[in-house]
Amino acid sequence: AQSVAQPEDQVNVAEGNPLTVKCTYSVSGNPYLFWYVQYPNRGLQFLLKYITGDNLVKGSYGFEAEFNKSQTSFHLKKPSALVSDSALYFCAVRVLMNTGFQKLVFGTGTRLLVSP
Amino acid sequence: KAGVTQTPRYLIKTRGQQVTLSCSPISGHRSVSWYQQTPGQGLQFLFEYFSETQRNKGNFPGRFSGRQFSNSRSEMNVSTLELGDSALYLCASSFLGAHTDTQYFGPGTRLTVL
Repeated sequence: AQSVAQPEDQVNVAEGNPLTVKCTYSVSGNPYLFWYVQYPNRGLQFLLKYITGDNLVKGSYGFEAEFNKSQTSFHLKKPSALVSDSALYFCAVRVLMNTGFQKLVFGTGTRLLVSP
Repeated sequence: KAGVTQTPRYLIKTRGQQVTLSCSPISGHRSVSWYQQTPGQGLQFLFEYFSETQRNKGNFPGRFSGRQFSNSRSEMNVSTLELGDSALYLCASSFLGAHTDTQYFGPGTRLTVL
């Protein structure tokens, strides 16, 4: 089945340190990958996406993600974490359905906790 | 541009009742998708509408239905509510729903079934 996996339920990092939230994917064909963030009692906010081109994608709020085809990974990174980055992060992939149209399939989410 | 809006933000219903949730997409967006988010199942795709037609449907029972209007606004309906329908229901819009399009999400409607 086409899917994404987020192997860590929670990531803890100190403010000012670099952070990485991991995501691996399994799709047939070209992967179209997305990262979203969710704050408590809120919807999902789009951070960045990989469609094609440069393997390093820059997004909102200083986040970036590195696409690695050989490792089928799309890890989210930030050079210096802020306490306000504490939230739930979702990796997602576009999946082609038998209708010929696509849907987003999400990972299980990773809770990021940034301590002061 | 205004973002995706969803109404109501919170709902409390009892088993057996039905509920209708509303979503207004970003201006110019024609594709609207609905997702259910629960602690146990995570984010699950419900259905997608484009130009008033349902293009995709997830693995949910027929109690879950939706529609889209000519102005791209969408509603979803859940009939004969069950306790397990308690969830955050998220609506997302995109320009055409193409594979490269970004889906932008609304704040969600929190449904509690008692």
